[in-house]
Amino acid sequence: GAGVSQSPSNKVTEKGKDVELRCDPISGHTALYWYRQSLGQGLEFLIYFQGNSAPDKSGLPSDRFSAERTGGSVSTLTIQRTQQEDSAVYLCASSLEPTNTEAFFGQGTRLTVV
Amino acid sequence: GENVEQHPSTLSVQEGDSAVIKCTYSDSASNYFPWYKQELGKGPQLIIDIRSNVGEKKDQRIAVTLNKTAKHFSLHITETQPEDSAVYFCAASRRYSSASKIIFGSGTRLSIRP
Repeated sequence: GAGVSQSPSNKVTEKGKDVELRCDPISGHTALYWYRQSLGQGLEFLIYFQGNSAPDKSGLPSDRFSAERTGGSVSTLTIQRTQQEDSAVYLCASSLEPTNTEAFFGQGTRLTVV
Repeated sequence: GENVEQHPSTLSVQEGDSAVIKCTYSDSASNYFPWYKQELGKGPQLIIDIRSNVGEKKDQRIAVTLNKTAKHFSLHITETQPEDSAVYFCAASRRYSSASKIIFGSGTRLSIRP
C-alpha cells in the first residue's frame, strides 16, 4: 500500500506494562509526526521527526514517553509503565519535506490501558 | 506556546445549507493553514489548505479564507450533503522551517440533517 501504516490497530494492555507503537511512513517522506487523540478530543502534538532527528519533542507528556526513528523511515513510539490516562488513539503522519506540504495520516493505534 | 482555537465544537445544518467553521491562531510566524476531515474510525484527511500569501481559496463546494492581521481563518462548505458529516480540524504551521510541527484545533463535529 502507498499510505501511512500503523500497527497494531488496537492494543489493550495492563496498567504498568510497556507498549510499542509502530509507524511506517510513505516511502520517501522525510517528516514524521506523532499525535495523540483522546476520545472526542482534538489532536495533541507529541513529537516531530525530520529524517532520524527530532527537532521538536516538546509534546511528549512525560519521561515515560519516547520515540525513535531509524533509517529515515519506520518510527516507534514507546510508552513505559502505562497509566489509564494514556488510553487514546495514537496517530502518525508523514509528509514530503521541504517541497511538499500535505501531511498524510495513518488510521491510528487505539490504546486501551486497563 | 502555539495555540489554535476552533469554533463551534458541534454544528448541525440542514442538507443544502452552508456550514462555517472558524479558527484563530496565536503564532504570528505561521504561514500554512490546512483543514482536515476525519471520518469515524479513520485518520484525518486533508481537504483544503491555504498559505499566508493568499486571502481566499476555493475548491468546488469548499472555500477557506485567511485574515493574517487578525490571525483568523475559516472553512466554508456550501450546498452541504450527508457525506459532509464528519469531524473537521483546522491547523497551523510554519512550513519550510525547522519548527514545522502542525498545531491542530480541537475539532468541529458537523452533522448534516436530511
